[in-house]
Amino acid sequence: QQQVKQSPQSLIVQKGGISIINCAYENTAFDYFPWYQQFPGKGPALLIAIRPDVSEKKEGRFTISFNKSAKQFSLHIMDSQPGDSATYFCAASGRGGADGLTFGKGTHLIIQP
Amino acid sequence: DTEVTQTPKHLVMGMTNKKSLKCEQHMGHRAMYWYKQKAKKPPELMFVYSYEKLSINESVPSRFSPECPNSSLLNLHLHALQPEDSALYLCASSPQTGYGYTFGSGTRLTVV
Repeated sequence: QQQVKQSPQSLIVQKGGISIINCAYENTAFDYFPWYQQFPGKGPALLIAIRPDVSEKKEGRFTISFNKSAKQFSLHIMDSQPGDSATYFCAASGRGGADGLTFGKGTHLIIQP
Repeated sequence: DTEVTQTPKHLVMGMTNKKSLKCEQHMGHRAMYWYKQKAKKPPELMFVYSYEKLSINESVPSRFSPECPNSSLLNLHLHALQPEDSALYLCASSPQTGYGYTFGSGTRLTVV
């Protein structure tokens, strides 16, 4: 059973545009929702994370929007740049993290110059 | 130091070999993890070591054996692996279990 559903699987955006990736979760015990960026051959790097007590968090060009009632959260990348081309994973954890992070399947993002 | 360091970066081993992967962090994190990542897939949790207690994903074969010599080090011992075990093995740590994960760059393992 996949507990975090991520879409789209792949995304092409023009330079300067807004990239939007969506995730939905099922487990209401989740209380920590990070986004990771991964380049080929590298480990995932934490971009930004949110807790359910806030509806939005912004760090530079990256924004997380969180809808607790809908059990959905999304990543917005403003002014997308070619260097943002990577695979993005949403994830979730909770209850002390005994089960570790549960990842979405990932989105392969390509920013065209 | 805000890094998780993994060695080696690449490893090729035969199915009868015994090898170990090493992971080190000096951020004072109290939880450390091993993840396995196949190509074009998300990382999958293998083991959690938190506050000196080991949690095992029961689906992980016994040919993988974790060891935590101290709070900064985590090893993964490999024995009699299969070609399907070839993957990127990622180590991560967090200040407390479940939050604020930092991942290493991984060990690319090839089993021949």
